[in-house]
Amino acid sequence: QSVLTQPPSVSGAPGQRVTISCTGSSSNIGAGYDVHWYQQLPGTAPKLLIYGNSNRPSGVPDRFSGSKSGTSASLAISGLQAEDEADYYCQSYDSSLSGYVFGTGTKVTVL
Amino acid sequence: QVQLQESGPGLVKPSETLSLTCTVSGYSISSGYYWGWIRQPPGKGLEWIGSIYHSGSTYYNPSLKSRVTISVDTSKNQFSLKLSSVTAADTAVYYCAKIRRSGAFDIWGQGTMVTVSS
Repeated sequence: QSVLTQPPSVSGAPGQRVTISCTGSSSNIGAGYDVHWYQQLPGTAPKLLIYGNSNRPSGVPDRFSGSKSGTSASLAISGLQAEDEADYYCQSYDSSLSGYVFGTGTKVTVL
Repeated sequence: QVQLQESGPGLVKPSETLSLTCTVSGYSISSGYYWGWIRQPPGKGLEWIGSIYHSGSTYYNPSLKSRVTISVDTSKNQFSLKLSSVTAADTAVYYCAKIRRSGAFDIWGQGTMVTVSS
């Protein structure tokens, strides 16, 4: 049960900036719980891209940035590259479900 | 560095119990952190199954709670998943992961495909 809503797909030309939204509610993002983002390349396990709303783990390029406001969060990819073509998921905690929830996922296509 | 590896049968019959183990290397489970299981049906999104602390405290997805058991064996540095009464809807890639204090799944296993079929 995905309680975090993402656009199914976004696309952009190499070098452009794209953003992916993650819309939640007052029981998850709006309640102040952190939002995390993952990148999943085809046939591989998800990789943590952003944690704690806007922090990048070591090794993640600064082209990736995260933000959060109200009941939503966003992931921005600047200077889009062919290697960024993947599925992206947001994740948070939901107090109503007393557990972790993932977003519906967004496929990023590099034109 | 910390690594996780899932293991278990790739094929389970309907109504039977799916059993998977996650072996952790490079870090002692008994030192702390939560550890979790996530699954992904073919062509679909990610679903959190449940989490366990080294002490044995567990938290389960309410939609699966009646069928799920997660346990930890600190002597083997492993944690395990049991999902009972499986159906075709439980066919998925199953991942184990380490959970940061912030709630982010920061290290993932490579995943193991489990098919439910007779």
